[in-house]
Amino acid sequence: DQQVKQNSPSLSVQEGRISILNCDYTNSMFDYFLWYKKYPAEGPTFLISISSIKDKNEDGRFTVFLNKSAKHLSLHIVPSQPGDSAVYFCAAERHTGNQFYFGTGTSLTVIP
Amino acid sequence: GAGVSQSPSNKVTEKGKDVELRCDPISGHTALYWYRQSLGQGLEFLIYFQGNSAPDKSGLPSDRFSAERTGGSVSTLTIQRTQQEDSAVYLCASSPSWLTWGYTFGSGTRLTVV
Repeated sequence: DQQVKQNSPSLSVQEGRISILNCDYTNSMFDYFLWYKKYPAEGPTFLISISSIKDKNEDGRFTVFLNKSAKHLSLHIVPSQPGDSAVYFCAAERHTGNQFYFGTGTSLTVIP
Repeated sequence: GAGVSQSPSNKVTEKGKDVELRCDPISGHTALYWYRQSLGQGLEFLIYFQGNSAPDKSGLPSDRFSAERTGGSVSTLTIQRTQQEDSAVYLCASSPSWLTWGYTFGSGTRLTVV
């Protein structure tokens, strides 16, 4: 049972434009959310996170928005750069848990 | 080392054989996790080690899978009598403690069972 879902397997965006990656979750007990970025042949690397007490967290070009009532979060990348081309995984965790639940990933291609 | 190291990077094995996958976490990281990613799937939790505590094995898919962590450092994931559905990328991650989010992943071992 997939508790974290990324319904768009791929996304293409022109360089300089905004990339929006979406993620939905089913478990209302999740209270911490992360985005990871993965390049081919490498392990995922941590990108940005957000706690359930916030609805927005910003780090440079990356902003994560959390809508708890809709059980939805999104990652915005502005402006998008070709080096942002990678697979992006959304992950969620319960405070008392030992593991993250990951989505299936969205492959972002930023076109120069 | 500077990062989480996994070996081998690629492994092709015949169905029915046993395989061992190795993970060297970042020095001093007490928490170690094994995940796997099958084609078209998200990262699937397998097992979690925290210090000297009993590991959380709740994600292991069958009794053919086992893992050890010796001396609180290096971990070995063993798959016995491999099946084709075991083919996946096996990822190891470590973190300073279970309270620290955003762990560091290794680059993974791609296992192919033929």
